[in-house]
Amino acid sequence: AQKVTQAQTEISVVEKEDVTLDCVYETRDTTYYLFWYKQPPSGELVFLIRRNSFDEQNEISGRYSWNFQKSTSSFNFTITASQVVDSAVYFCALSRHPTGNTPLVFGKGTRLSVIA
Amino acid sequence: DTEVTQTPKHLVMGMTNKKSLKCEQHMGHRAMYWYKQKAKKPPELMFVYSYEKLSINESVPSRFSPECPNSSLLNLHLHALQPEDSALYLCASSQVMIGQGKIYGYTFGSGTRLTVV
Repeated sequence: AQKVTQAQTEISVVEKEDVTLDCVYETRDTTYYLFWYKQPPSGELVFLIRRNSFDEQNEISGRYSWNFQKSTSSFNFTITASQVVDSAVYFCALSRHPTGNTPLVFGKGTRLSVIA
Repeated sequence: DTEVTQTPKHLVMGMTNKKSLKCEQHMGHRAMYWYKQKAKKPPELMFVYSYEKLSINESVPSRFSPECPNSSLLNLHLHALQPEDSALYLCASSQVMIGQGKIYGYTFGSGTRLTVV
């Protein structure tokens, strides 16, 4: 069975602080995909990043960076110099290699509040 | 076209009403999904369609009836719902196979916010 754990339910930071959102996953598959989504109050799920299990390179995109550590089954997300617009719920998610029957399994989400 | 379009965006219905939610995509994705999301919870999978056939039903009550009339369209028919069914209903689609330059990922619609009164 697949499982995603986001232990941090809510985080509150002051603008310009760095913040790391933790994600730990469980799977028996050797090939799998990890995702991060942002959900602002309006409700839509905004795709942030996808990583497959064979690509352990860390990635940076502007103020966002991701640290994939297969050895600890973690895929953590860091926002540098946070801004009020970063306030949202962030979901980490996992899927198997696509075969047409591969829904996303979501963690419970971390609600990030960035205070001006 | 790289979008999943869901209509309506908001729906209020009584417990005796029959209504339908619609989801449409033109990306050639052959897997489509319905998720239900209650407030302050993650999306929960309801149904998966693969090549227009129902492949997963997560023990959803029969008052929710999915339909996939063609490869671009996914409906969710609602009948005799309860107030606890009020939620955000999200549709998503994905590639079934990757390779040949196709990138694997899920595209979500903006959802239908359903209120049952």
